[in-house]
Amino acid sequence: DTAVSQTPKYLVTQMGNDKSIKCEQNLGHDTMYWYKQDSKKFLKIMFSYNNKELIINETVPNRFSPKSPDKAHLNLHINSLELGDSAVYFCASSQDLAGTKYNEQFFGPGTRLTVL
Amino acid sequence: DAKTTQPNSMESNEEEPVHLPCNHSTISGTDYIHWYRQLPSQGPEYVIHGLTSNVNNRMASLAIAEDRKSSTLILHRATLRDAAVYYCILRRAYSGAGSYQLTFGKGTKLSVIP
Repeated sequence: DTAVSQTPKYLVTQMGNDKSIKCEQNLGHDTMYWYKQDSKKFLKIMFSYNNKELIINETVPNRFSPKSPDKAHLNLHINSLELGDSAVYFCASSQDLAGTKYNEQFFGPGTRLTVL
Repeated sequence: DAKTTQPNSMESNEEEPVHLPCNHSTISGTDYIHWYRQLPSQGPEYVIHGLTSNVNNRMASLAIAEDRKSSTLILHRATLRDAAVYYCILRRAYSGAGSYQLTFGKGTKLSVIP
């Protein structure tokens, strides 16, 4: 069974369009994340959600709007797509407990977004 | 967040041990040292973590310097499947919900030669 899944795997679209990427985890985790990996392969945190509440928004343009309908899902909606949004987007999840010494993050396979 | 410094790339022959170094001279007492790796066209995956003592698991070993300013990830017998980018990451102790996000550096690209 896939722990963290993302759909679609590839997304090719025109500038100005609106698109969504879906993420689901079946690990029972309470925290989910979105990361962006650009063409230079740098991985950067975008958002962190804990129990459906936004915790971290790392200076991401407000064209990006994450939505968490429940603890197992964190979707990423992007409005008015720009060329610079082309990247691979990774979803991740972890169990975020106070007092936990570590919490391994499980990553999805990524969604490669290409904006033409 | 405290920064880590890793070599950009390393090479290893298949079935030989690999030592991947990481410098973290500004590490704080509550920082855990985590290693993740990213295989080609895949998401990152957890490898190992430690605080002060050396650690072993089925994937690798982590050797931590006594002053904690550096650490080394050890792959005991490199296989072709170990070719990946390896990231050394410092993770602060829990400081509130959502505080466990990972800050990735450039990592070390490991090539394994058959």
